[in-house]
Amino acid sequence: SQTIHQWPATLVQPVGSPLSLECTVEGTSNPNLYWYRQAAGRGLQLLFYSVGIGQISSEVPQNLSASRPQDRQFILSSKKLLLSDSGFYLCAAGTDRFGQYFGPGTRLTVT
Amino acid sequence: QQQVKQSPQSLIVQKGGISIINCAYENTAFDYFPWYQQFPGKGPALLIAIRPDVSEKKEGRFTISFNKSAKQFSLHIMDSQPGDSATYFCAASNYGQNFVFGPGTRLSVLP
Repeated sequence: SQTIHQWPATLVQPVGSPLSLECTVEGTSNPNLYWYRQAAGRGLQLLFYSVGIGQISSEVPQNLSASRPQDRQFILSSKKLLLSDSGFYLCAAGTDRFGQYFGPGTRLTVT
Repeated sequence: QQQVKQSPQSLIVQKGGISIINCAYENTAFDYFPWYQQFPGKGPALLIAIRPDVSEKKEGRFTISFNKSAKQFSLHIMDSQPGDSATYFCAASNYGQNFVFGPGTRLSVLP
């Protein structure tokens, strides 16, 4: 079974500062990787997904970017955070015939 | 066509009762329908899933009913317990990609 690690668990950053959230996956190779954002009490908004190293698709134009430098590593970044970037960020991994499995999430507060 | 509708938005059930959450989709290319359970501050966890070649799948107290002609599927939680109180998301995907999530249902099971 696959395990998804995310860090940090919580983060408080000032407006205008950079961001880097990391996600790593164990127990599977060549997974599809996803970044979601969830506002408090709301649903899941897909931000980025990747089907392979260096292959990133963006679902929503925004202040964020993603990279996949290794097969099982997915990074979410921003050069300058906005207040609206606050939320719960979830990394997920999946294979072609099975569902997505989510990591524990990172709670980001932009002040 | 990519949207998954989910109802109700919130649900209150007495302990021992049956919780029913409904979802509907439009895209007939979807071939995988998972349900996720999310507790506050945690990532969603895959609960149960079904493919359109069967009409029902049961795992313990959780049952998915699937109606391919109506393009609807539902989650039934039998003998609901306070520990089942969480937010439930339905989802749909085709070949493990293009996951589309419903907006979520907040379930409260009263003791």
